[in-house]
Amino acid sequence: DIQMTQSPSSLSAYVGDRVTITCRASQSITSFLNWYQQKPGKAPKLLIYATSSLQSGVPSRFSGSGSGTDFTLTISSLQPEDFASYFCQQSYSTPWTFGQGTKVEIK
Amino acid sequence: QVQLQESGPGLVKPSETLSLTCTVSGGSISSDYWSWIRQPPGKGLEWIGYIYYSGSTNYNPSLKSRVTISVETSKNQFSLKLSSVTAADTAVYYCASGGDYKPYDYWGQGTLVTVSS
Repeated sequence: DIQMTQSPSSLSAYVGDRVTITCRASQSITSFLNWYQQKPGKAPKLLIYATSSLQSGVPSRFSGSGSGTDFTLTISSLQPEDFASYFCQQSYSTPWTFGQGTKVEIK
Repeated sequence: QVQLQESGPGLVKPSETLSLTCTVSGGSISSDYWSWIRQPPGKGLEWIGYIYYSGSTNYNPSLKSRVTISVETSKNQFSLKLSSVTAADTAVYYCASGGDYKPYDYWGQGTLVTVSS
């Protein structure tokens, strides 16, 4: 199985901060990397697919980059509604696997 | 806008079979991959398996011996059966559109299934 490791596991930030979350795959997944946002008690929401493509309706302050084994999700200016958990997921090979999540909290 | 809704018992006894159904509205099930994903309380996400509308399936090897996913196109529904459950199967179960190489773009609200006697 491909292991997905996110860092950090949690972070505290101010509204307006630039935030970067990293996801590392245990082997190359080319660009088959997706990012999801999850708020407490809610289902995950697709933010970015195929490393850098923004899902329809998602604000442009979210962006993704990377290739191979190393990927990043960047929030250019953190907004109050962005405080949530974020998960990466590889869709390169079965079984599809998720990172353990990064919780973004208010500082 | 596609909407998904899980339904089924919230409590299952150990060794019995967990059964959930996902009803798709706002779109046809006959056009995509459909998946089941679960999340134990306070933990991360685990892919269970997916079905293509034609009926072909792909399961997580860690659960394969206990999982069956089926589709009923006439009702725009797909279903999950997980046999011989234990407390480790207690989780919020989500149905979602997507699977194979496609991301999960629409999700149900999730349903908590507790395994307990």
